[in-house]
Amino acid sequence: NAGVTQTPKFRVLKTGQSMTLLCAQDMNHEYMYWYRQDPGMGLRLIHYSVGEGTTAKGEVPDGYNVSRLKKQNFLLGLESAAPSQTSVYFCASSTGSGVTDTQYFGPGTRLTVL
Amino acid sequence: AQSVTQLDSHVSVSEGTPVLLRCNYSSSYSPSLFWYVQHPNKGLQLLLKYTSAATLVKGINGFEAEFKKSETSFHLTKPSAHMSDAAEYFCVVSGTYKYIFGTGTRLKVLA
Repeated sequence: NAGVTQTPKFRVLKTGQSMTLLCAQDMNHEYMYWYRQDPGMGLRLIHYSVGEGTTAKGEVPDGYNVSRLKKQNFLLGLESAAPSQTSVYFCASSTGSGVTDTQYFGPGTRLTVL
Repeated sequence: AQSVTQLDSHVSVSEGTPVLLRCNYSSSYSPSLFWYVQHPNKGLQLLLKYTSAATLVKGINGFEAEFKKSETSFHLTKPSAHMSDAAEYFCVVSGTYKYIFGTGTRLKVLA
């Protein structure tokens, strides 16, 4: 049982390049989330999904797209990377969306955009 | 609307002394509150959570937190700090579909 895994762990991009971050979970969770972590700001929600085939915007969605084609996978895409997207990206999943549900986090992807 | 404020960005303690990390919250309804720990270059690990049951919540590694509605606080404590407790700690209030994170408290443990 690997929990939540993220690929890749590190990436360096040039401005304007594109990339996709992959999140996979093996806990059969319905809900999945993408966050970014910046110094002094905690984690902020980018996009989330309430089930296979559904996605929704979070707090800071601009410049990102997501897809949830399979229940266990949640992809985060950057179509044209900008230096402001340099951050650590975390994926999370949970069984439900209720206020008592625990989110389980992956190990993170450190992205640098030059 | 929910929000959470971590009152200290950095806390330093000596090994073997008590730890207190402070968190105040704001919520328009009865909240669920969480503490997560993040060790350097690692993901977030759940320490404990409060979901309207007992107000004193015990977590992993000897940590506990007390929910005080009258003070809108959910402070994290540990009786005796260990070197391995050095990490960043996040207080979180839960809303529908999302967590609202505090800005984090970096705990330093001095030998």
